[in-house]
Amino acid sequence: DADVTQTPRNRITKTGKRIMLECSQTKGHDRMYWYRQDPGLGLRLIYYSFDVKDINKGEISDGYSVSRQAQAKFSLSLESAIPNQTALYFCATSDLRATGYNEQFFGPGTRLTVL
Amino acid sequence: GEDVEQSLFLSVREGDSSVINCTYTDSSSTYLYWYKQEPGAGLQLLTYIFSNMDMKQDQRLTVLLNKKDKHLSLRIADTQTGDSAIYFCAESISGAGSYQLTFGKGTKLSVIP
Repeated sequence: DADVTQTPRNRITKTGKRIMLECSQTKGHDRMYWYRQDPGLGLRLIYYSFDVKDINKGEISDGYSVSRQAQAKFSLSLESAIPNQTALYFCATSDLRATGYNEQFFGPGTRLTVL
Repeated sequence: GEDVEQSLFLSVREGDSSVINCTYTDSSSTYLYWYKQEPGAGLQLLTYIFSNMDMKQDQRLTVLLNKKDKHLSLRIADTQTGDSAIYFCAESISGAGSYQLTFGKGTKLSVIP
């Protein structure tokens, strides 16, 4: 079974709709992240969370919000979707207790299309 | 600010060596990473190097770090079709920001049979 899962895997929505992308992990990690990937632009950090009470904005948080419902769950919401939010979205986790290098474990991604 | 640059495409023949290059700007980077993204999947850590090292070898992979020039490379020996993927260079810096990775745009490696 996958350690980091994302639902849905694919979503098509219309401009102005509110949608939620969900991420669950069984790795027991404290840190969770949301990224978006656009062709030719690499990965950009949207939000990250150190624990249930700690939420931080990343590089491109405008138009997005998050909720850390539990240590294992971190969801990303688009309050009013717009076409330029069409992208591949990844959730990732890492272990706060680990020292030294920061290995992040990625989910399989959610492909979102906003029409 | 932090910036990580890499070329977007590389094409090699099966059996040849592949060399993927990356430059970064933050001199306080503590770790540098190579992540691999196979088609339809998320990223997976391939290897990493601590900034006080200049080389790391792991089976077919060799990572070279030139800290003076802020240049990182990944060499894949005897490249196979299964190595076809997008390879991302990433850096993390010391201190409170060490949780955060800055990724390059990714190099798409195509292996020709």
